[in-house]
Amino acid sequence: DVKVTQSSRYLVKRTGEKVFLECVQDMDHENMFWYRQDPGLGLRLIYFSYDVKMKEKGDIPEGYSVSREKKERFSLILESASTNQTSMYLCASSPSGTNTDTQYFGPGTRLTVL
Amino acid sequence: GQNIDQPTEMTATEGAIVQINCTYQTSGFNGLFWYQQHAGEAPTFLSYNVLDGLEEKGRFSSFLSRSKGYSYLLLKELQMKDSASYLCAVTDSNYQLIWGAGTKLIIKP
Repeated sequence: DVKVTQSSRYLVKRTGEKVFLECVQDMDHENMFWYRQDPGLGLRLIYFSYDVKMKEKGDIPEGYSVSREKKERFSLILESASTNQTSMYLCASSPSGTNTDTQYFGPGTRLTVL
Repeated sequence: GQNIDQPTEMTATEGAIVQINCTYQTSGFNGLFWYQQHAGEAPTFLSYNVLDGLEEKGRFSSFLSRSKGYSYLLLKELQMKDSASYLCAVTDSNYQLIWGAGTKLIIKP
């Protein structure tokens, strides 16, 4: 079974802090994604990566950056957390780059910024 | 703009059948996904349709009409564990995945 793990299920941070969210997948997938999920809205893509050291902006990249130094690991960084970044953050991976493959999701990190 | 519409919430009775609709307006089409998401958990894959017609998988079926920009997810013999949100997502002509807001399904005994 594909397994996608995220470093924390719940996180509370203060405004202005730098926040790191880690995601690891164990199926040698090429693609990894970071989404945020808010009530009443669809999943919104923040960043994605097709390969090691490659990154592409999604729909809402402002205030975020990412790092993919190894194939299995994709990190999301909030440079200076703000209250409007309070959300559920979901990481996903998929085998190929065409978005016609199933995405496998991690359990999510619920981030609260005070 | 690109848009996916699903009902926000539906209620059904245990043992019954429910149909969750999804309509989409996207720039091109390269497939439609349905995912299930239990409260507080990750979305999990249910089905993928790229051709018109009905795909059946146990108690769950998914239908697609590309000409109408329409899909539905049919759940039969509803069980309490089917209470979840159901997410519709479409891959457009640029291979971007567009997500609907999801339909929260409440099952009552």
